[in-house]
Amino acid sequence: DADVTQTPRNRITKTGKRIMLECSQTKGHDRMYWYRQDPGLGLQLIYYSFDVKDINKGEISDGYSVSRQAQAKFSLSLESAIPNQTALYFCATSDLGRIYNEQFFGPGTRLTVL
Amino acid sequence: KNQVEQSPQSLIILEGKNCTLQCNYTVSPFSNLRWYKQDTGRGPVSLTIMTFSENTKSNGRYTATLDADTKQSSLHITASQLSDSASYICVVSPELYGNKLVFGAGTILRVKS
Repeated sequence: DADVTQTPRNRITKTGKRIMLECSQTKGHDRMYWYRQDPGLGLQLIYYSFDVKDINKGEISDGYSVSRQAQAKFSLSLESAIPNQTALYFCATSDLGRIYNEQFFGPGTRLTVL
Repeated sequence: KNQVEQSPQSLIILEGKNCTLQCNYTVSPFSNLRWYKQDTGRGPVSLTIMTFSENTKSNGRYTATLDADTKQSSLHITASQLSDSASYICVVSPELYGNKLVFGAGTILRVKS
């Protein structure tokens, strides 16, 4: 969905490096999410945010941190990347108050940690 | 533990044929179930959303069914096209406005000409 953009789309890095993945949205949604997708597994929630002042841990937050710089921007950082963080990372947004919490996903960032 | 299991893991069919993908869940409580389509290299896109009171919902050639009693859902694709080749993900939400979605691992569908 072009309304949710992620940069970079692909990134190769080395163990121990700090990495930041960025997400921007033009949908005007309040809620933003970061997910990780591994082969053979369902998407897992890393962090989510209801607004600029609200950050919440998801299922697998260890080794990750986030920053909600503005309503439209939500960044995911890997403080010290390790090989098992190699995965596809997706940002998603949803509209506060919209029933069913339909989430709209960005195109993903493929991260490889060597 | 809340879980969503999908079968088969992968499927190959000929263009023009129909197919059915299965989803079993153990999520409780239950608010709604959705099917997403994920093209290679893209993010998931919602196909259908059903609440516990809905038995079936269609979106073009895609028809989803839900049996809340047996906690099973299926996605039926009619007259498949090459563009249907993708991963189909079943997702269950325990809460009406909630954030904690439970994702299945997906079924990878390949449509051959």
